[in-house]
Amino acid sequence: AQSVSQHNHHVILSEAASLELGCNYSYGGTVNLFWYVQYPGQHLQLLLKYFSGDPLVKGIKGFEAEFIKSKFSFNLRKPSVQWSDTAEYFCAVNARGTYKYIFGTGTRLKVLA
Amino acid sequence: DGGITQSPKYLFRKEGQNVTLSCEQNLNHDAMYWYRQDPGQGLRLIYYSQIVNDFQKGDIAEGYSVSREKKESFPLTVTSAQKNPTAFYLCASREGAGGYTFGSGTRLTVV
Repeated sequence: AQSVSQHNHHVILSEAASLELGCNYSYGGTVNLFWYVQYPGQHLQLLLKYFSGDPLVKGIKGFEAEFIKSKFSFNLRKPSVQWSDTAEYFCAVNARGTYKYIFGTGTRLKVLA
Repeated sequence: DGGITQSPKYLFRKEGQNVTLSCEQNLNHDAMYWYRQDPGQGLRLIYYSQIVNDFQKGDIAEGYSVSREKKESFPLTVTSAQKNPTAFYLCASREGAGGYTFGSGTRLTVV
């Protein structure tokens, strides 16, 4: 069965610190990969997605993620976080050709001003 | 603007009652989904529908029911058989292989 693991449940950083949130999945086939963000009081929004091609994908608000197939990972990064990045971040995996997505348990990021 | 509308935003239900959560989309998306979000558990799939008049159970369908009579609408009924219904419910839609568009959610509390 497919599964998604987000190792960091809570992360606290100071502004300007670098961010890396881990995401690993278990599925042997081809996948589409996503990161979603949920800001306080707002609905889930798509940050970035990977379908194929360059494994380093850039999303909105300076976020990027790297797909490493050999490690089954899709880690989210940002070189310098801002207070406004305080949110919950979800990694999601979709087995190519299916309608089902699997979400990780989420990582709550708090950025201190 | 195209999007997903979930209503109501907050809902209170007495134990033993059924309640229906509304989800409407004007994006012309074929696929629609219901997720339940609980702290520390992420999003868990309740039901999904790929086309009108067709739907499939997700991972936690027990105690829930859905219908898909129109492309735009995918209501979720939380029945009295659902043992722990207090949660935040999210509706989403998707076209093709793209990412989801989510609604703003309904917070259901059983009192």
